[in-house]
Amino acid sequence: ETGVTQSPTHLIKTRGQQVTLRCSSQSGHNTVSWYQQALGQGPQFIFQYYREEENGRGNFPPRFSGLQFPNYSSELNVNALELDDSALYLCASSLDTGDNSPLHFGNGTRLTVT
Amino acid sequence: QKEVEQNSGPLSVPEGAIASLNCTYSDRGSQSFFWYRQYSGKSPELIMSIYSNGDKEDGRFTAQLNKASQYVSLLIRDSQPSDSATYLCAVKTSSNTGKLIFGQGTTLQVKP
Repeated sequence: ETGVTQSPTHLIKTRGQQVTLRCSSQSGHNTVSWYQQALGQGPQFIFQYYREEENGRGNFPPRFSGLQFPNYSSELNVNALELDDSALYLCASSLDTGDNSPLHFGNGTRLTVT
Repeated sequence: QKEVEQNSGPLSVPEGAIASLNCTYSDRGSQSFFWYRQYSGKSPELIMSIYSNGDKEDGRFTAQLNKASQYVSLLIRDSQPSDSATYLCAVKTSSNTGKLIFGQGTTLQVKP
C-alpha cells in the first residue's frame, strides 16, 4: 500500500474530447510525477510538480497539462484526445526531487480513446 | 541509443533457480537506480534502489551497480512462480527534476 490513489481506474473517451485524471499523493510528499505507459513499454515521463510548480517536462505536447494542489492532490488534463493517447496513466509521489527519493506509484488510470 | 536499455525477454527460469536481469544506461551522470516489478494490468511496485557501486541485498533480491560500465542488474534467488512479472529498470537523470527514465522492461517467467 503506497498511499497514492488515482481516479478513475478506467475511462473511455472519444477522439477530440478532453479528460481530467486525478491523483492523491502520499501525505507529506511534495513531489508528484505523471507517466504514460503504452502497452508493452516502460512508463514515459510526462511532467513533474514540486510544491505546486511544474519542475520538469518530458516530450509531450502542450495539450498535456497538470496542476498540483496544497492538499497533495494533483490533476493531469489532456485536451484534443488522440487515439495514441490510449495508455495507462500513472501518478507517482515522492518526498522531494532528491536522488535518494524513490517514486511510489498509484494504481493508474487506464484510458481508452476511440 | 535508448537512455535505458533492457532485454524485453521473456526470460524463462525454473522454480528455485537464480534469475538475472540486466540493464544499461547512457547518462554517465546518473546517481540513482531503481528496480520496479509490474504484474500484468497493475502499476509498478518498487522492489530495490541502489545508489553506489557494488551489491545491495534485500531478502532474495540483490541489485548490482557498476557505474564505470553503466550497468545495473537484479538477481532473484530461489525464484518462485509468484516472481513472474515484468521487471522495470529505472534511472534518475542527472538533472534536478528527479525525472525517472524507464527501460521497456524484462518479462520473467518462473516455471514450476
